[in-house]
Amino acid sequence: DAGVIQSPRHEVTEMGQEVTLRCKPISGHDYLFWYRQTMMRGLELLIYFNNNVPIDDSGMPEDRFSAKMPNASFSTLKIQPSEPRDSAVYFCASQQGLAEAFFGQGTRLTVV
Amino acid sequence: DQQVKQNSPSLSVQEGRISILNCDYTNSMFDYFLWYKKYPAEGPTFLISISSIKDKNEDGRFTVFLNKSAKHLSLHIVPSQPGDSAVYFCAGRGTSGSRLTFGEGTQLTVNP
Repeated sequence: DAGVIQSPRHEVTEMGQEVTLRCKPISGHDYLFWYRQTMMRGLELLIYFNNNVPIDDSGMPEDRFSAKMPNASFSTLKIQPSEPRDSAVYFCASQQGLAEAFFGQGTRLTVV
Repeated sequence: DQQVKQNSPSLSVQEGRISILNCDYTNSMFDYFLWYKKYPAEGPTFLISISSIKDKNEDGRFTVFLNKSAKHLSLHIVPSQPGDSAVYFCAGRGTSGSRLTFGEGTQLTVNP
């Protein structure tokens, strides 16, 4: 398996624009997580899914953030409208049961 | 509420010596702990874990120690190698679910 695949790797956008981050989890994994990495808070969980169903979205910072998982092989994290303080590295991770989570390479988002 | 704390943002050691990375947690419901390593421009990768029923787990040069009464765990790397230079994240997982709660990370630099 190629691992967790995220796209794009880098995204630069203007404030107010919509941003969509994409993730393809490892086949067979039943959990999918979206994290954001910042210097102050480290790896911060935004939302996670189990069998494509959102379980806990309490980490989503504002209504500007939304995430979907339409099927077992694809998830999106959308920010609309984007703001400069959203600039960070966003990671997607997938996991099978209670095994360890596998992370993608991340998307570095810069909002100017 | 930072449930997992890594109080040292950085650590520098000489090649061949021991590296000790520390982590404290506040959530008594955590029953499983993991360490991840992260190189620049890559996603975190799983390194080693420990269940709360144990106080030590060893894998090659890496050993994790857990002190439940103190709510403290540490990662020992011996001997340290320049290739170990990375950011190390500590994470805890509760009995009720699969989500991981991460600390802020510690940047380890191993000098040749």
